[in-house]
Amino acid sequence: QVQLVQSGAEVKKPGASVKVSCKASDYTLISSGISWVRQAPGQGLEWMGWISGYNGNPNYVQKFQGRVTMTTDASTSTAYMELKSLRSDDTAVYYCARLTNIVGATVVDNWGQGTLVTVSS
Amino acid sequence: DIQMTQSPSSLSASLGDRVTITCRSSQSIASYLNWYQQRPGKAPKLLIYAASNLQSGVPSRFSGSGSGIEFTLTISSLQPEDFAIYYCQQSYRSPDYSFGQGTKLEIK
Repeated sequence: QVQLVQSGAEVKKPGASVKVSCKASDYTLISSGISWVRQAPGQGLEWMGWISGYNGNPNYVQKFQGRVTMTTDASTSTAYMELKSLRSDDTAVYYCARLTNIVGATVVDNWGQGTLVTVSS
Repeated sequence: DIQMTQSPSSLSASLGDRVTITCRSSQSIASYLNWYQQRPGKAPKLLIYAASNLQSGVPSRFSGSGSGIEFTLTISSLQPEDFAIYYCQQSYRSPDYSFGQGTKLEIK
């Protein structure tokens, strides 16, 4: 069964960076993409972008361009999301999720457990 | 950017009720519309993909319809485990596969 296991909670100061990992098991990263979605406390889901597991090409939402870096390490089946210049409004649960294709439809079909990132001075 | 708008934002219903949630996109997205359920403290779960296709393992009381700019998610007979937040998502235009703001389904 496909599983995505994320790294643990982080507390960061404003201006710092955070790097969240997402390890895949029971499937190979190369066969699909990994997306990153965040959810601020009590708020809805916000799509940040995705990275191709096949060629490692990232695709970022404009809002996060210049601050986010998504990478993959095929040798360890692990994806990473680094967010820089953190602000208090970056406090959220960050999810990685498998982005795949089902009969021509792009879907997120498996999610990690989420990583709480708290930005506070 | 494609904006997704759900209605209502919240909904109260009773066990056994039939409920419908609507999702509208700011431009046509053909049938590239997915629905997710999120229970408190949990990651979202895929329910419906490509507007009307039931994800494997999802109960048949869930159904989806629509194309173009208007879509609906229907739950035919509410069960206790269905009280959650529901999100639509467009997968028409990358890189921003944007979500709706969510619809909170509560017990009446």
